[in-house]
Amino acid sequence: EAGVTQFPSHSVIEKGQTVTLRCDPISGHDNLYWYRRVMGKEIKFLLHFVKESKQDESGMPNNRFLAERTGGTYSTLKVQPAELEDSGVYFCASSHRGTGGVNTQYFGPGTRLTVL
Amino acid sequence: RKEVEQDPGPFNVPEGATVAFNCTYSNSASQSFFWYRQDCRKEPKLLMSVYSSGNEDGRFTAQLNRASQYISLLIRDSKLSDSATYLCVVTHTDKLIFGTGTRLQVFP
Repeated sequence: EAGVTQFPSHSVIEKGQTVTLRCDPISGHDNLYWYRRVMGKEIKFLLHFVKESKQDESGMPNNRFLAERTGGTYSTLKVQPAELEDSGVYFCASSHRGTGGVNTQYFGPGTRLTVL
Repeated sequence: RKEVEQDPGPFNVPEGATVAFNCTYSNSASQSFFWYRQDCRKEPKLLMSVYSSGNEDGRFTAQLNRASQYISLLIRDSKLSDSATYLCVVTHTDKLIFGTGTRLQVFP
């Protein structure tokens, strides 16, 4: 079974430009999450989709970030316009709620974003 | 104050040693508890879930103390391949809340 995949693996852009990150979850996983790790800090939650609906977007830093999951399959995270502080590693994770409600999330390899 | 606190380390131990990591969490409403492992420049991978009754998976033993809001991980007979960052993770609603991780380096 294929794992969570993310594209691109690396992106280097200039401040003010736009970048779109893509995540393909494990097939059949309704839950899709975006997380971010900025240098020297812990991994932080950005948002959670259940199928195509945003369940929780409390971690989104500001309105320069837009996440979509049309059709409830893959998701995109767009940053527009990018700022220096947006640099970091963006992880996507997916899950299929197991018995007892334990939510095991499987992570993709991440997209390393550098804003110059 | 961070929601999940861990000693960042590094812990440098010889092969065969036993090493223990601890973490504390601040939200008493946290629902599920995990240890994830992250290798350098890789994604976090689930190592094991943590239960109040304690659970063991081979050389790894995890324990949760809800009253103290304290989670532990014990690694016995350390291998070189155990070198990684160990992330203490709790959940509140469906989102994972991570500690900064504890770095372990096992040397020959």
